Amino acid sequence: DAKTTQPNSMESNEEEPVHLPCNHSTISGTDYIHWYRQLPSQGPEYVIHGLTSNVNNRMASLAIAEDRKSSTLILHRATLRDAAVYYCILRDVYQGAQKLVFGQGTRLTINP
Amino acid sequence: EAQVTQNPRYLITVTGKKLTVTCSQNMNHEYMSWYRQDPGLGLRQIYYSMNVEVTDKGDVPEGYKVSRKEKRNFPLILESPSPNQTSLYFCASRNGQGIFNEQFFGPGTRLTVL
Repeated sequence: DAKTTQPNSMESNEEEPVHLPCNHSTISGTDYIHWYRQLPSQGPEYVIHGLTSNVNNRMASLAIAEDRKSSTLILHRATLRDAAVYYCILRDVYQGAQKLVFGQGTRLTINP
Repeated sequence: EAQVTQNPRYLITVTGKKLTVTCSQNMNHEYMSWYRQDPGLGLRQIYYSMNVEVTDKGDVPEGYKVSRKEKRNFPLILESPSPNQTSLYFCASRNGQGIFNEQFFGPGTRLTVL
């Protein structure tokens, strides 16, 4: 399975943009990039996913490098509620049906 | 409100005393799954179910059983719990129509086996 690498932790300030990086240099052509986050004392929740093009939704934006070896989750205006562990996950379109494989993720701290 | 519920949220038990953690979803999802989360090991899948009466092992199924008799429920059974099953457990579900549909997770069950 293709692996992802994320920084262990990041810190930002409230109301500022946050860019969370993810490296996936061994990504295959059939791997989708998914992001989930886990707020303190809660289960993970879906954030966004994409294949090649940049994606936007109400929670965040996903910027995918042209060679797809890296991606960045962008929180446009962080709030205290965005403090969480963020997971970057690759899902193969043919083999990814059964589960999500979570790495260690990035622990994001938001300062007031 | 669309949600996945788990009960109990917290449980302390002793070795060998059978227990069941219930999971229920109200979204009519075909796919349901159980994960455990441990420090340094992240979330690992225990069992999953693609639909009623269809279950399969995940990465760490030893010591666990599941059943899927109804679409909405997916209980996790520990027939003889041991201390190494002390963990935080999450149930999840998603619409089975697309593998990329988001998974919805329950709030978690913190289990301690003494």
